[in-house]
Amino acid sequence: DIQMTQSPSSLSASVGDRVTISCRASQSIRTFLNWYQQKPGKAPKLLIYGISTLQSGVPSRFSGSGSGTDFTLTISSLQPDDFATYYCQQTSSTPRTFGQGTKLEMK
Amino acid sequence: EVQLVESGGGLVQPGGSLRLSCAASGLTFTNYWMSWVRQAPGKGLEWVANIKQDGSEKYYVDSVKGRFTISRDNAKNSLYLEMSSLRAEDTAVYYCATNPIYRDYEDHWGPGTLVTVSS
Repeated sequence: DIQMTQSPSSLSASVGDRVTISCRASQSIRTFLNWYQQKPGKAPKLLIYGISTLQSGVPSRFSGSGSGTDFTLTISSLQPDDFATYYCQQTSSTPRTFGQGTKLEMK
Repeated sequence: EVQLVESGGGLVQPGGSLRLSCAASGLTFTNYWMSWVRQAPGKGLEWVANIKQDGSEKYYVDSVKGRFTISRDNAKNSLYLEMSSLRAEDTAVYYCATNPIYRDYEDHWGPGTLVTVSS
């Protein structure tokens, strides 16, 4: 199975900050990398697919980048609604696997 | 608007069985692979299984192979997860999710149903 490792596991930031979350795959996953946002007690929400394509309705302050095994989710200017847990996911091979999550908290 | 609603969760003893259902609406069901993803209390997301539009292909995470069976009824726009030989480590919120044809992501998710395996 492909292992996905996110860093950091938690992050404290303030409104307006630029935030970066990293995700590393144990082997190349080509372009099959997605990002999800999850708030407490809610289902995950798809933010970005195929490394960098924003899902419909997702604000443009979110962006994704990377290639091969190393990927990044960036929030350009943090908003109050962005405090949540973020997961990367690979869909290059089965089983699909998620990173362990990055909890973004208000400083 | 796409809507997914899971049901069938509850408390079950170790070794027991449970059948989860997911009712889908607001979409052409046969245009989607369907997935089950679970989340143990306080833990991260774990992909469990998925099934092709016509049910001809099914895939599972190793930890549930031989114990869980994913299926669908396209006439009823419904997805199922038959779970047997349940273990404490299967305790989780189970989400169903859609995966559009020719795409490689889960884009719509239900609110989830909680399965608790405990004596």
